[in-house]
Amino acid sequence: QVQLQESGPGLVKPSQTLSLTCTVSGGSISSGDYYWSWIRQPPGKGLEWIGYIYYSGSTYYNPSLKSRVTISVDTSKNQFSLKLSSVTAADTAVYYCARAPPWELLLFDYWGQGTLVTVSS
Amino acid sequence: EIVLTQSPGTLSLSPGERATLSCRASQSVSSSYLAWYQQKPGQAPRLLIYGASSRATGIPDRFSGSGSGTDFTLTISRLEPEDFAVYYCQQYGSSTGTFGQGTKVEIK
Repeated sequence: QVQLQESGPGLVKPSQTLSLTCTVSGGSISSGDYYWSWIRQPPGKGLEWIGYIYYSGSTYYNPSLKSRVTISVDTSKNQFSLKLSSVTAADTAVYYCARAPPWELLLFDYWGQGTLVTVSS
Repeated sequence: EIVLTQSPGTLSLSPGERATLSCRASQSVSSSYLAWYQQKPGQAPRLLIYGASSRATGIPDRFSGSGSGTDFTLTISRLEPEDFAVYYCQQYGSSTGTFGQGTKVEIK
């Protein structure tokens, strides 16, 4: 069974870049069977999709975050990563990685457990 | 952007009762691309329903989804203790896949 695990710093200073990695086990990103997304959830609030990547490196981002987001993939490590630049307190959230099938790019059938990132000086 | 409004915000029920959760979209959701997720404290969301009415793998049949266009419903026929959680609807037919704000089902 596929498992996804987020990792990265839990505290980021304002104006800096948030960097997270999702490691996939029990399945291969390079199989091309799924798209791989980042989603976030501010404390006590709802969910917001950030963007996705395909094994080929093709990406699509939420327009509301597009100017600050970069998602990349490393198929040799079976990982994909998120970078969010110029962060503010509004970017404090639990960040999830998730997968979706290619015929439903934004339908998430498996999620990681999530990692809390706090933006604070 | 399609905005999803869920109601009620909180539903207080007892185990064994029926739960009816509503999700209303600001515009029609194409091809019933509407999903429901369950989230328990400290856990990731779990996919329950997709395509408005299809249960995901391993989901008990007490969970059912219905609706089309702008009005969708998640029904839990008889609440089990493990069903008390927050439920989110999501439309995945547009380019950004927006979520509702959630309905909390709590023990009365």
